[in-house]
Amino acid sequence: DIQMTQSPSTLSASVGDRVTITCRASQSISSWLAWYQQKPGRAPKLLIYKASTLASGVPSRFSGSGSGTVFTLTITSLQPDDFATYYCQQYNSYSRTFGQGTKVEVK
Amino acid sequence: EVQLVESGGGLVQPGRSLRLSCAASEFTVSSNYMSWVRQAPGKGLEWVSLIYAAGTTYYADSVRGRFTISRDTSKNTLYLQMNSLRAEDTAVYYCAGEWVGGYFDFWGQGTLVTVSS
Repeated sequence: DIQMTQSPSTLSASVGDRVTITCRASQSISSWLAWYQQKPGRAPKLLIYKASTLASGVPSRFSGSGSGTVFTLTITSLQPDDFATYYCQQYNSYSRTFGQGTKVEVK
Repeated sequence: EVQLVESGGGLVQPGRSLRLSCAASEFTVSSNYMSWVRQAPGKGLEWVSLIYAAGTTYYADSVRGRFTISRDTSKNTLYLQMNSLRAEDTAVYYCAGEWVGGYFDFWGQGTLVTVSS
């Protein structure tokens, strides 16, 4: 099975900061990677698919990049609504594996 | 607007069974890939099971042989039959729909399953 590893696990940041989260796959997954945002008590929300394609309605301050085994999610100017936990998910195979999550908290 | 609404969660004793349902609107369960994803308290997301539009099913190693995913076309509803439940199956269970395939465009609100004596 493909394993997904995110770093860091927790990130402390301030409004306006540029934030980058990294996701690594245990083997190449081409560009078959999605990113989600989850807030406490809520279902996850799709942000990005196919590594870099923004989902409908997602603000342009979010961007994704990478291919193969290393991927990044970047928030160019962190907004108050962006404090949440972020997950990557691979879909190279039928097994949809998630990373362990990165919590973006207030510094 | 697509809606996925889970039901059937609750408190169940170890070794017992439970069936979760996910009723869909504005999204055809039988024409799309559908999954169950769970989240243990304070933990991350774990994919549990997937059913393809063609009916092929897949399971995570942690539930294979105990859980069964299925759907009812006439009711536009997805199910997860959970047998031989364990304490480690305690989680919020989400159903999730894939519009194109691979990633989850739509999520339900989740239903909590607690396995405890």
